[in-house]
Amino acid sequence: EPEVTQTPSHQVTQMGQEVILRCVPISNHLYFYWYRQILGQKVEFLVSFYNNEISEKSEIFDDQFSVERPDGSNFTLKIRSTKLEDSAMYFCASIGRDNQPQHFGDGTRLSIL
Amino acid sequence: RKEVEQDPGPFNVPEGATVAFNCTYSNSASQSFFWYRQDCRKEPKLLMSVYSSGNEDGRFTAQLNRASQYISLLIRDSKLSDSATYLCAVGLSGGYNKLIFGAGTRLAVHP
Repeated sequence: EPEVTQTPSHQVTQMGQEVILRCVPISNHLYFYWYRQILGQKVEFLVSFYNNEISEKSEIFDDQFSVERPDGSNFTLKIRSTKLEDSAMYFCASIGRDNQPQHFGDGTRLSIL
Repeated sequence: RKEVEQDPGPFNVPEGATVAFNCTYSNSASQSFFWYRQDCRKEPKLLMSVYSSGNEDGRFTAQLNRASQYISLLIRDSKLSDSATYLCAVGLSGGYNKLIFGAGTRLAVHP
């Protein structure tokens, strides 16, 4: 069964540094998402991406965050200047069409020191 | 009021028990409903979609009550391997299907 894949599985970064989290969505999918989950808390929506542009973003997704689909396969989340509170699991998800269930990648654990 | 609310549990049940979880949602325009299972520090894994008429998948049954704005998950004949956190997720049609998750209900099945 096709999967969403994410790299790296764990990223440790100094506060203030930039990080790029990578995702390869399922190949024929059209809608892409990033979520995050702070340890012990619920999964929170960050951003959705469709047709090469952001379709919706949450209030968490401020100017420090950006997303890109640099080629036909990768979908990246960049955090420009990381803060301690950015430490979380970041999950990528994708779907082929609206209302389908989202399939999640296995996540990147981001630890900011 | 929280957008999606679940009883955090934990529900501690013996093997073979039947256990039910509820989830309420606040936005009446919600169109899609799902149950995900999450193991500790892992990604949410889709357990089942929830349809208006209710649906069953093996030992798992999901129900939707639009009038009262809640969904439920029933697990029959619990197995040790069912121990996990169960996440309710709700999507708005036309909202590019962003999912709003509940905080999850923890289930611990013991021998």
